[in-house]
Amino acid sequence: AQSVAQPEDQVNVAEGNPLTVKCTYSVSGNPYLFWYVQYPNRGLQFLLKYITGDNLVKGSYGFEAEFNKSQTSFHLKKPSALVSDSALYFCAVRDKGPNAGNMLTFGGGTRLMVKP
Amino acid sequence: GAGVSQSPSNKVTEKGKDVELRCDPISGHTALYWYRQSLGQGLEFLIYFQGNSAPDKSGLPSDRFSAERTGGSVSTLTIQRTQQEDSAVYLCASSLALNSYGYTFGSGTRLTVV
Repeated sequence: AQSVAQPEDQVNVAEGNPLTVKCTYSVSGNPYLFWYVQYPNRGLQFLLKYITGDNLVKGSYGFEAEFNKSQTSFHLKKPSALVSDSALYFCAVRDKGPNAGNMLTFGGGTRLMVKP
Repeated sequence: GAGVSQSPSNKVTEKGKDVELRCDPISGHTALYWYRQSLGQGLEFLIYFQGNSAPDKSGLPSDRFSAERTGGSVSTLTIQRTQQEDSAVYLCASSLALNSYGYTFGSGTRLTVV
């Protein structure tokens, strides 16, 4: 079975400071990893994904994430936070294996609050 | 269409009534997924379709929940005899194929059972 943990319910950061939203995962094989963002009363919007290749992936709105296989982590980062980054962030995983399920498993979400 | 469309966007219903939630995926997307997002919780997988077929219905919370997809396009999630614990945001997503990387989500239907 695959699972995702987002250990922080909320992350607070001042505008202009770097931000990190943590994610760890568990799969039986190798993972596909994703980050999505949800603004109020909206669906989830895709931010970035790791499929293969470079461990550092860059996505929308200046976000990036680093795949760390030894730590089974895929933390989301941004060098300089904006107030408009305030939203709910979800990490998701899918096992690459041939017997993997066909759906993404999501973490519980982390609310990012960026203060001016 | 250009995106995944869900209707209604909001639904308030009385306990015990039946509701139907609709999802219109991106044109050409063969895979369609339903998730439920309860207040303060993450996303709970309900069911997926490959074409019109739903091979695994074990994610549906109870036998009051059913889903169908016709013509490889629109999907309907039906909840019979709604209960207060069914109150949640129901999210639909689609992807080009089952093994595509990631989904495109709709804006969801907020269901409130009173």
